[in-house]
Amino acid sequence: QVQLVESGGGVVQPGRSLRLSCAASGFTFSNYDMHWVRQAPGKGLEWVALIWYDGSNSYYIDSVKGRFTISRDNSKNTLYLQMNSLRAEDTAVYYCARDKDVFDIWGQGTMVTVPS
Amino acid sequence: SYELTQPPSVSVSPGQTARITCSGDALPKQYAYWYQQKPGQAPVLVIYKDSERPSGIPERFSGSSSGTTVTLTISGVQAEDEADYYCQSADTSGTYRYVFGTGTKVTVL
Repeated sequence: QVQLVESGGGVVQPGRSLRLSCAASGFTFSNYDMHWVRQAPGKGLEWVALIWYDGSNSYYIDSVKGRFTISRDNSKNTLYLQMNSLRAEDTAVYYCARDKDVFDIWGQGTMVTVPS
Repeated sequence: SYELTQPPSVSVSPGQTARITCSGDALPKQYAYWYQQKPGQAPVLVIYKDSERPSGIPERFSGSSSGTTVTLTISGVQAEDEADYYCQSADTSGTYRYVFGTGTKVTVL
């Protein structure tokens, strides 16, 4: 079945780095744009980044520009989010989501905690 | 800035109708989408392109649009519909931006 599985979350000190992964299965990964969306504890959803199906373009919310990099390896059916210079306000559950003109498939999320 | 505003909470008795609004200046030009999120779970798409229902979503979920406001209606609310609901829209005309609404907690009394 169509599935997205995130991994790589954890507790990381401010200023350090972390890389999240999202493994896709059950569909042709290379045909779809992909997103990262996050949700801080007890808060709403916040879009983070988009990468086109072929990796040729990427877009970010202003608060992560220059610190986060979205990438993909279509040969491995995997999406990544490289997060550098992490801050306490980056603490959240990070979801990957497939784009079919809408966030139609979501992973279960991976928690990133940056202590203040 | 591009913002979508929802009421924080809506309470409804079983079998009644719940209506959740989402307001934003860009909504006349962009489609809206609705997601349901239950505690500890990922969001699930319940309405796309203002009023379309994905396969597998019960018919009691419907969407509508009027001007700068879109509305998610849950007719004949059931206990299992208790959840947070988020509207979402996008601006992909130049710099890509995807915005979620502030979220509405639906409580089934």
